[in-house]
Amino acid sequence: GEDVEQSLFLSVREGDSSVINCTYTDSSSTYLYWYKQEPGAGLQLLTYIFSNMDMKQDQRLTVLLNKKDKHLSLRIADTQTGDSAIYFCAEGGTYKYIFGTGTRLKVLA
Amino acid sequence: DTGVSQNPRHKITKRGQNVTFRCDPISEHNRLYWYRQTLGQGPEFLTYFQNEAQLEKSRLLSDRFSAERPKGSFSTLEIQRTEQGDSAMYLCASSSDRLMNTEAFFGQGTRLTVV
Repeated sequence: GEDVEQSLFLSVREGDSSVINCTYTDSSSTYLYWYKQEPGAGLQLLTYIFSNMDMKQDQRLTVLLNKKDKHLSLRIADTQTGDSAIYFCAEGGTYKYIFGTGTRLKVLA
Repeated sequence: DTGVSQNPRHKITKRGQNVTFRCDPISEHNRLYWYRQTLGQGPEFLTYFQNEAQLEKSRLLSDRFSAERPKGSFSTLEIQRTEQGDSAMYLCASSSDRLMNTEAFFGQGTRLTVV
């Protein structure tokens, strides 16, 4: 079945790196996404990776994909207080996006 | 184009009343999605339109829910005879199948509270 799992909470100190992990089940997903949601707001697309890639770097963000283990991670370098939010990974096929439950990142000053 | 727009942002209604939400997608996007998000959960897929055709409906979308996209542009989501369990954030998203990446852009959502 379709299920995307994430750990619920992550707390890091400002300036440290954050690593948010995700496991998914649908091996036919074409793209995998990371979205950010701040309180009371919609979802903001942060980055995505095509399923035939292993890694993608986008400024402070690094996405790693282990297709064999169906494991996706998001690394945020030099984490700032403004990065505090809920982060969702999502797998996307032709038209449907399946979201994880979200990881709440708290950045301590 | 300012992105995906949803109205209203907040709606409080009494149980049993009908409510309708509107979504205006990004203008060149032909795909439109509705999702529901409850507290502490990720968004759950409700339905999907390709142009004006509704191609997929989740089993979460009971017969009290109906969505339309009559001209392939804006969409409405109506909930009839609302129940307290319908209280949630309703998110709309759009994307284009004419681009290489099918990334979806989300609106700010409509928060529904049924009292």
